[in-house]
Amino acid sequence: QVQLVQSGAEVKKPGASVKVSCKASGYTFTSYDMNWVRQATGQGLEWMGWMNPNSGNTGYAQKFQGRVTMTRNTSISTAYMELGSLTSDDTAVYYCARKSHWYSDYWGQGTLVTVSS
Amino acid sequence: SYVLTQPPSVSVAPGQTARITCGGNNIGSKSVHWYQQKPGQAPVLVVYDDSDRPSGIPERFSGSNSGNTATLTISGVEAGDEADYYCQVWDISSDHYVFGTGTKITVL
Repeated sequence: QVQLVQSGAEVKKPGASVKVSCKASGYTFTSYDMNWVRQATGQGLEWMGWMNPNSGNTGYAQKFQGRVTMTRNTSISTAYMELGSLTSDDTAVYYCARKSHWYSDYWGQGTLVTVSS
Repeated sequence: SYVLTQPPSVSVAPGQTARITCGGNNIGSKSVHWYQQKPGQAPVLVVYDDSDRPSGIPERFSGSNSGNTATLTISGVEAGDEADYYCQVWDISSDHYVFGTGTKITVL
């Protein structure tokens, strides 16, 4: 069965960076793009971008351009999302989600990132 | 940028039908997908490509899309359907995923 298992919660100071991992299993990692989506407490879903694990190609939401980097390690079927220059507004749960055509069919459990001084 | 608008909340009695709308400019020309999110959990895909259901999703969940409005319909609502629901499209002009504002379904 398809599973996406994310890394644990993080606490970061303003100005720092955070790197969240997403380990895929149950399917061929390089056959599906990966989306990253975040959700602040009590707020809606916000798409951050996608990555093609086969080519490494990426597409980022304009809001995060220059501040987000999505990478992968195909040998361990793991995708990464790194977000820099953190502020309190980046406090949120971050999800990886397998991209199937134009929707996300499987989601990770989420990683809480808290930005606090 | 493309905007998807949903009502903040919808209340429905058990056994009745809930309809959640998702408004967007000419949304009928796009494929719309719907997610259910229960408190503290990750979203779950319940309808894709306007009206298709992933395996394991009950037939009570159905979708339609035309003109400027897409609709998720939940028939025979159960207490377990209480959740937030989000619509989503791919906006080809910006090459961005776009999520709706979300609707909270309350089962009375």
